[in-house]
Amino acid sequence: AQSVSQHNHHVILSEAASLELGCNYSYGGTVNLFWYVQYPGQHLQLLLKYFSGDPLVKGIKGFEAEFIKSKFSFNLRKPSVQWSDTAEYFCAVNALNYGQNFVFGPGTRLSVLP
Amino acid sequence: NAGVTQTPKFRVLKTGQSMTLLCAQDMNHEYMYWYRQDPGMGLRLIHYSVGEGTTAKGEVPDGYNVSRLKKQNFLLGLESAAPSQTSVYFCASRRDPSTAAFFGQGTRLTVV
Repeated sequence: AQSVSQHNHHVILSEAASLELGCNYSYGGTVNLFWYVQYPGQHLQLLLKYFSGDPLVKGIKGFEAEFIKSKFSFNLRKPSVQWSDTAEYFCAVNALNYGQNFVFGPGTRLSVLP
Repeated sequence: NAGVTQTPKFRVLKTGQSMTLLCAQDMNHEYMYWYRQDPGMGLRLIHYSVGEGTTAKGEVPDGYNVSRLKKQNFLLGLESAAPSQTSVYFCASRRDPSTAAFFGQGTRLTVV
């Protein structure tokens, strides 16, 4: 089955540590890729997106992600996390050959310790 | 700008009752989506619509129906609620597949 997977269910880091959250998808063909963040008690907000061009995309709040087509991956990174980055992070894929649905991964909960 | 608005924000239903969740967007978006969010399972797509008058099934459509009679509104119905439908429901909209989606604030539904 086509799917989106995220490597870690829960990540715990200290402030200033570097972050990398993995995302893999199993759709072939052209894909649009997204990372969303959900702060406690809030709705999802877009962090960054990739449609085409430079595979390294920069988003808000110092986040970036790299699209590696050969690995079907779109990993999220941040060089130095802050306590305020504590949230749940979702990778999402729109696979243009598989209709117009918009599929999310299961999410990774990030806890940053002060 | 209102963006995407969901009503109600909270609801408690008894098993077997019916209800409709309303999603309204003021951005003239063509695409609208209903998801449910459960702990450890992320967001799962229930139904979606690619334009006024169209609907399609997502990953978990059973027990739900939808309608898109007006472009700005996407309704999610539960005909006979079950405890397994206790969840947080999110609506999203976007202009087209090449753009990011905007999400509503969510509806927390409890079925007892």
